[in-house]
Amino acid sequence: AQSVTQLGSHVSVSEGALVLLRCNYSSSVPPYLFWYVQYPNQGLQLLLKYTTGATLVKGINGFEAEFKKSETSFHLTKPSAHMSDAAEYFCAVSDQTGANNLFFGTGTRLTVIP
Amino acid sequence: GAVVSQHPSRVICKSGTSVKIECRSLDFQATTMFWYRQFPKQSLMLMATSNEGSKATYEQGVEKDKFLINHASLTLSTLTVTSAHPEDSSFYICSARVAAAGGNSPLHFGNGTRLTVT
Repeated sequence: AQSVTQLGSHVSVSEGALVLLRCNYSSSVPPYLFWYVQYPNQGLQLLLKYTTGATLVKGINGFEAEFKKSETSFHLTKPSAHMSDAAEYFCAVSDQTGANNLFFGTGTRLTVIP
Repeated sequence: GAVVSQHPSRVICKSGTSVKIECRSLDFQATTMFWYRQFPKQSLMLMATSNEGSKATYEQGVEKDKFLINHASLTLSTLTVTSAHPEDSSFYICSARVAAAGGNSPLHFGNGTRLTVT
């Protein structure tokens, strides 16, 4: 079974400050990990993904995440927050067997304070 | 590339009526599409997996007779909410993966449909 836990349903940062959104996963098999962003009344847009290889993954809009197997974590970071980063962020996990489903975390709403 | 179009974006219907939501992959073929439901300020909950040319696979607790899914072609899946009730009001999102792309390829999401049942 697979699951994702996102610590903090709401995170507020000042514009220009570091963004850190936490994600821990549980998986009995090697995972694929994803971060998605959702703007109001819209679908989800992929920010980045980890499958195999390099554990530090860079995505769009300056975001990156590091897969840490020992900590079962995949935290999302961005060095400097921008007002346009305000949105809902979802961490998700799937397995590597070719199964198609994603298991989502409960989401973290990011607020950027000017 | 890899655009998923979902229609309509918003729909308001009266209790007891049925509503059809379409999910189209515009520039790729998708043998499998997924339907999610999202309650306010909550995560996405998978409702069913739609397979082209075969019956959909529903998640536990999802009424297959209430949420009818048809995946008649490699680019179109539909979700019909039958005899809708106010508690069916929600945000419905579809997603699709490029056919035969494997488990490490990302899902592409539609922009969702806001259903309000009065």
